[in-house]
Amino acid sequence: AAGVIQSPRHLIKEKRETATLKCYPIPRHDTVYWYQQGPGQDPQFLISFYEKMQSDKGSIPDRFSAQQFSDYHSELNMSSLELGDSALYFCASSYWDREIPGELFFGEGSRLTVL
Amino acid sequence: AQKITQTQPGMFVQEKEAVTLDCTYDTSDQSYGLFWYKQPSSGEMIFLIYQGSYDEQNATEGRYSLNFQKARKSANLVISASQLGDSAMYFCAMREGFDSNDYKLSFGAGTTVTVRA
Repeated sequence: AAGVIQSPRHLIKEKRETATLKCYPIPRHDTVYWYQQGPGQDPQFLISFYEKMQSDKGSIPDRFSAQQFSDYHSELNMSSLELGDSALYFCASSYWDREIPGELFFGEGSRLTVL
Repeated sequence: AQKITQTQPGMFVQEKEAVTLDCTYDTSDQSYGLFWYKQPSSGEMIFLIYQGSYDEQNATEGRYSLNFQKARKSANLVISASQLGDSAMYFCAMREGFDSNDYKLSFGAGTTVTVRA
């Protein structure tokens, strides 16, 4: 079965550079979530989109922006990167009519290292 | 305030034994869902088990079972017959507010399980 696809899987950037992470949800899933997991930390919710509109916002820095496109894929844009942005970034998707309400399907994550 | 509390940073368990991972939660919602995820060293988040707040029976999925005590607001994960491949970080998570399409999860700090041969 198709899963959530994230790209790139690994990314190395310098401080003050920009980075873009992409997420392709499971087909027919209408909601995308972005999470940030720092080293040894629990995943922290950044932002979510439902039907291409932002549905909720968490602890996302102003330097970050995200959007969901007409084909439901989403991109997380990060500018003026800081060392503290080094983390594993997860994308997850869901569909409102799931048997398990609230079941999220996670991608394998994109590991960003800022040098 | 922390919504999900996992008080055990790390645990060791002998192969073939059972292990219980603690999770307590805090919510004022009547309708919520509790999840456990496994995160191996490779990093992916693997869904293990789900318990709805209105479910009367404790959830079970193979070797995983959830000891749900609603009055105590606890949702402990029991892994029976531990295997070496169970060595991973385990996260308890909660989804509140079933009246919207927002399925955002709040995660606990996680428990690292190491299975010894």
